Amino acid sequence: NAGVTQTPKFQVLKTGQSMTLQCAQDMNHNSMYWYRQDPGMGLRLIYYSASEGTTDKGEVPNGYNVSRLNKREFSLRLESAAPSQTSVYFCASTREDRRIYNEQFFGPGTRLTVL
Amino acid sequence: DQQVKQNSPSLSVQEGRISILNCDYTNSMFDYFLWYKKYPAEGPTFLISISSIKDKNEDGRFTVFLNKSAKHLSLHIVPSQPGDSAVYFCAAGGSGTYKYIFGTGTRLKVLA
Repeated sequence: NAGVTQTPKFQVLKTGQSMTLQCAQDMNHNSMYWYRQDPGMGLRLIYYSASEGTTDKGEVPNGYNVSRLNKREFSLRLESAAPSQTSVYFCASTREDRRIYNEQFFGPGTRLTVL
Repeated sequence: DQQVKQNSPSLSVQEGRISILNCDYTNSMFDYFLWYKKYPAEGPTFLISISSIKDKNEDGRFTVFLNKSAKHLSLHIVPSQPGDSAVYFCAAGGSGTYKYIFGTGTRLKVLA
């Protein structure tokens, strides 16, 4: 099992450019998440998908869109990148068949720089 | 408004001694808490969790204590090892929730 995979690992964009961060999991998890990690800020939830076909906003959704393509894949799109979106992005997934056991499995991250 | 706080950005401990990492929360609706460990250039990995029906949970060298009245939890690592050097995040959520709030992390350095 690869667990949670993310592509790309690194990306540099210019202000105004768009891009999509890809995430896939092979653990048959229902729920998937996108976080960003910034120095001194911890992990902040951008969007999540409780199940295939549903998406909801997290703490910091502005400037992002998501697509839950199928049960395995959850992508994050920046339509017009801004320097404030320079961050490390983590995708995570969790099984939701037993609601109180909600540990998340994280991907290795995408380091994004917006110039 | 930070609902989950880790007030110590860093901590240094001698190998073999106890490491104590602290976490405070403000939302009384939180009833499930997790600790994650993160090495540089890797994603966080789950370490240990505790639900509000317990006040202690142990897993090998790792023990999490929960004080609901103080809205405080702590992670104890005994004995500390150099491989424990990492950033530790606590996270909190309500049972049945799909969302967790993470603290800002504590960087632990275990000195050989």
